Amino acid sequence: DQQVKQNSPSLSVQEGRISILNCDYTNSMFDYFLWYKKYPAEGPTFLISISSIKDKNEDGRFTVFLNKSAKHLSLHIVPSQPGDSAVYFCAASGNTDSSYKLIFGSGTRLLVRP
Amino acid sequence: DAGITQSPRHKVTETGTPVTLRCHQTENHRYMYWYRQDPGHGLRLIHYSYGVKDTDKGEVSDGYSVSRSKTEDFLLTLESATSSQTSVYFCAISDTREGAYGYTFGSGTRLTVV
Repeated sequence: DQQVKQNSPSLSVQEGRISILNCDYTNSMFDYFLWYKKYPAEGPTFLISISSIKDKNEDGRFTVFLNKSAKHLSLHIVPSQPGDSAVYFCAASGNTDSSYKLIFGSGTRLLVRP
Repeated sequence: DAGITQSPRHKVTETGTPVTLRCHQTENHRYMYWYRQDPGHGLRLIHYSYGVKDTDKGEVSDGYSVSRSKTEDFLLTLESATSSQTSVYFCAISDTREGAYGYTFGSGTRLTVV
């Protein structure tokens, strides 16, 4: 059973507009939530994270929001740029089985149109 | 660049043959991970290590084994490759158990089993 879900496999937005990527999780033991960005033929790179004690974390054009009651997080990119076109993975970490591991969602492919 | 390299970058092998993928790090990080990336599944954990000679299974460990005899090297072995193991394999490292600040990923190994 998937503990981290990204229900939108793809998203297309116009350059300059806001991109919103969504992620849902099922395990309440998760402590940290992270977003990774992946370009073709490269490994994923860490983008931004948030602790479960916060509900928002901002880094430049990127903001992650966490709604613990809904077990939902989202990544906002404002303004979107063509270079943001990539696959975005949501991930979660926590002491879920007496060990810590990152569990990833299936990814959302973002296309930013010039 | 980042102190993590994977070899080989590409490999084509025949069904039933053994295959070993190598992950090498120069960061002296304690934690190392092997993931596979498949369409619709995102990144799934195969095995991980929390120190020399200390390894454990991830969610998709069947058909794979690992070894870590030195801090810097983490080997993934497919004992008898099958077509279902055709995938892109990523190694990752972390200096914290929680992975709260993200993992650093290698560039990946594209494995094709024919």
